[in-house]
Amino acid sequence: QKEVEQNSGPLSVPEGAIASLNCTYSDRGSQSFFWYRQYSGKSPELIMSIYSNGDKEDGRFTAQLNKASQYVSLLIRDSQPSDSATYLCAPNAGGATNKLIFGTGTLLAVQP
Amino acid sequence: DAGVTQSPTHLIKTRGQQVTLRCSPISGHKSVSWYQQVLGQGPQFIFQYYEKEERGRGNFPDRFSARQFPNYSSELNVNALLLGDSALYLCASSWDPGVQAFFGQGTRLTVV
Repeated sequence: QKEVEQNSGPLSVPEGAIASLNCTYSDRGSQSFFWYRQYSGKSPELIMSIYSNGDKEDGRFTAQLNKASQYVSLLIRDSQPSDSATYLCAPNAGGATNKLIFGTGTLLAVQP
Repeated sequence: DAGVTQSPTHLIKTRGQQVTLRCSPISGHKSVSWYQQVLGQGPQFIFQYYEKEERGRGNFPDRFSARQFPNYSSELNVNALLLGDSALYLCASSWDPGVQAFFGQGTRLTVV
């Protein structure tokens, strides 16, 4: 079982729709969870962090965390073509290192 | 404020050569982590330094080494380069391990 699993996509949504990105993780010691957006050829950009169960909203983005189910998701409302990118889910490993463990990412394509 | 800066942005090396990549963290950040990202994959953890001490090392051979300087900048060294070392090398800084980390623009290394 992979440490972090994401559907590689592409996830295609029409402009203005809600994009739903999902992620499951295996390390029950993970306490912090991050979503990064990565445009092709660029470095990852932090868009959301979530530390406790429930929902966290920031503008058009909502992160949802369920530690019991080891599941984290990202909703993007009113999707725009500029949202087209790969979205990386990254729980931290906990312990002394707190390294980030990345999935392979989900490619989102927003169709105008 | 300046973000995380990495140098150089692009590099071409020959198999067997050695390379040094540099990273300057965001002002006030004391933790620097290095990641390797190959095409189509998520970033993979290489090293983490905090307060100039190594806090963790990923599953990479001893050809990879790193250090952090008193000003919290960091270098990643790779010896005896292999074709498989071709990747985007990312530096991330945070004020403390485990909290949100911000990536630099990356160094794209090509080994020929």
